[in-house]
Amino acid sequence: QQQVKQSPQSLIVQKGGIPIINCAYENTAFDYFPWYQQFPGKGPALLIAIRPDVSEKKEGRFTISFNKSAKQFSLHIMDSQPGDSATYFCAASGTDSWGKFQFGAGTQVVVTP
Amino acid sequence: DAGVTQSPTHLIKTRGQQVTLRCSPKSGHDTVSWYQQALGQGPQFIFQYYEEEERQRGNFPDRFSGHQFPNYSSELNVNALLLGDSALYLCASSLYTEETQYFGPGTRLLVL
Repeated sequence: QQQVKQSPQSLIVQKGGIPIINCAYENTAFDYFPWYQQFPGKGPALLIAIRPDVSEKKEGRFTISFNKSAKQFSLHIMDSQPGDSATYFCAASGTDSWGKFQFGAGTQVVVTP
Repeated sequence: DAGVTQSPTHLIKTRGQQVTLRCSPKSGHDTVSWYQQALGQGPQFIFQYYEEEERQRGNFPDRFSGHQFPNYSSELNVNALLLGDSALYLCASSLYTEETQYFGPGTRLLVL
């Protein structure tokens, strides 16, 4: 049973475009939602994280939008570059599962020159 | 400041064997979590160690066990290896009081 559902599975955008990745969850006890970027053969690297008391958070070219009532959150990559081509994972954890991250299945993003 | 380190980077074993993977957390961190990442999938939580005790466990059989040492480093042991255990094994370190986890590069295990 996948507790965090991520879509789309893959995405191709041109340089400068804005890839958008969506995640949905069911467990209302989740209260911490990080996004990770993973390059082939490497471990996931933390990009940005958000909590439910905030509807949007920006760090550099990465923005998280959070909709608590819909139990959905999304990652936007502004002005995407070929170097952003990677697999992106959303994750969630909560007070009933401290430190036990539930990951989405991942989205492979390709940014063409 | 060294980040999370894992060893070995790659490992090949045969079915039925046992394997031990090692992790050193980021400097200042006291908690280590282990994840299994099958090809093309998201990481799956195995367990978490803090103060040398297993604090949380995911849906993995008892063949998966671990240990944390006084210097906060950790080992993951897998007994009676199955072909399905082939995966990238990731270690993540954190402070027990904080949720942010930092991942190491992983150990790629291939079971033949």
